[in-house]
Amino acid sequence: QKEVEQDPGPLSVPEGAIVSLNCTYSNSAFQYFMWYRQYSRKGPELLMYTYSSGNKEDGRFTAQVDKSSKYISLFIRDSQPSDSATYLCAMQDGNKLVFGAGTILRVKS
Amino acid sequence: ETGVTQTPRHLVMGMTNKKSLKCEQHLGHNAMYWYKQSAKKPLELMFVYNFKEQTENNSVPSRFSPECPNSSHLFLHLHTLQPEDSALYLCASSQVQTLYSNQPQHFGDGTRLSIL
Repeated sequence: QKEVEQDPGPLSVPEGAIVSLNCTYSNSAFQYFMWYRQYSRKGPELLMYTYSSGNKEDGRFTAQVDKSSKYISLFIRDSQPSDSATYLCAMQDGNKLVFGAGTILRVKS
Repeated sequence: ETGVTQTPRHLVMGMTNKKSLKCEQHLGHNAMYWYKQSAKKPLELMFVYNFKEQTENNSVPSRFSPECPNSSHLFLHLHTLQPEDSALYLCASSQVQTLYSNQPQHFGDGTRLSIL
């Protein structure tokens, strides 16, 4: 079993839709949870960063962590074509940062 | 310049060549990392440096040789690579991780490496 599971997609949605991206994980030691956005031919860019369980909101983005279910989500409201990218979940325990394989998101205008 | 800068952006080399990848961070961080990103696979951590000292080598073949002369610069020396080494090589930096705080990593745009 992989430490972090993430559906690779692609996920294709119309502009303005609410997008839900998810990851599951197996290591209960993970305490810090991140979402990175990676545009084509660019490096990953930190988008959201949360500690332990709960929600965090930043503009159109909301990150949710459910440690009891070992499940994290990223919601994007009012999605825009500029949101088209690969979204990587990542989880950290000390120096160890473990990534999901990434979900490709395409927002069509 | 700001952030994490990697050069070159693209590199094509034969299996017998020797080349180096360079990373420079302008964020005042003291930890630096090398990752390998292959298509449809998660990022693979290769090396970690804290305060210029290597603290992790994730079972990387010896044909990859890192060097960290100071907290702002990181190199990856390459020699006798194999075709399966073709990938995007990403550098990242952060403050050093501690037991009591987590420091997010910031990435460069990577070097796209192709082995002929």
